[in-house]
Amino acid sequence: GAGVSQSPRYKVTKRGQDVTLRCDPISSHATLYWYQQALGQGPEFLTYFNYEAQPDKSGLPSDRFSAERPEGSISTLTIQRTEQRDSAMYRCASSSGPGSSYEQYFGPGTRLTVT
Amino acid sequence: AQSVTQLGSHVSVSEGALVLLRCNYSSSVPPYLFWYVQYPNQGLQLLLKYTSAATLVKGINGFEAEFKKSETSFHLTKPSAHMSDAAEYFCAVSDSGSGGGADGLTFGKGTHLIIQP
Repeated sequence: GAGVSQSPRYKVTKRGQDVTLRCDPISSHATLYWYQQALGQGPEFLTYFNYEAQPDKSGLPSDRFSAERPEGSISTLTIQRTEQRDSAMYRCASSSGPGSSYEQYFGPGTRLTVT
Repeated sequence: AQSVTQLGSHVSVSEGALVLLRCNYSSSVPPYLFWYVQYPNQGLQLLLKYTSAATLVKGINGFEAEFKKSETSFHLTKPSAHMSDAAEYFCAVSDSGSGGGADGLTFGKGTHLIIQP
C-alpha cells in the first residue's frame, strides 16, 4: 500500500471488554512495530515483528496485551479485560528491515478510550 | 538503558525567527538519533537521523541537527520559522545501530512548536 494504515482510528470501550486493533504495513516491509503513546508523552515501544516472528515482547505492559502477525503482513494488537490506564494512542510503524538503519514509517494511530 | 530528555514541552517563536528544540540523550553505546515531526491527525514523519557519519545532519523542510557527544545533545534547529512548521516534534534514540538486531525507538515526551505570526 501507499502507507501504513490503522483501524479503527478511534475506539471507545468499557472497562473489562477486549479490543483488537489492526495495522496494515507498507506491503514490501518485513518489520513491524507497535508503540503506545499516553497523553502528553512520547511513544513507548511495545513489541515488534520480523515477518511473522516476534523476537521482542519486552515492552508489553502485562499479559493482557498480545500481538500477532500470522502471515507476515497485517498485524493485530489485542488488549484483554481493558482498564482505564490502557487509554492511549496506539501507533504502528513498518520498515523494510530490522534495525535503525531502516526508517520506520508510522501510521496515523488508533485512539483508544476505556470508560 | 537509554533515555531522551526534551527541554520545554512548548516552544513559541515568531515567524521568521530561529527555531531551536533541545534534546539530550543517554545511551551506554554509540547511539542512532532521530527527530520526528507529527502534524495533527497524522503519523510521525522522520525529519532527520544521525547514524555516526557527519555530526551535522540536514533533514527535510530546512531543519538540521548537530550531534555533540561531549554534551550528549542532538538539538534541532531551523534558521527561519514558517507557519507550516507548527507541529509536535519528538527526539528519539536507538542503540541497535551498534548492537545489531532490531529494537524499538526510545522517544522523548515531545515539544509542541508554536509559530506566532
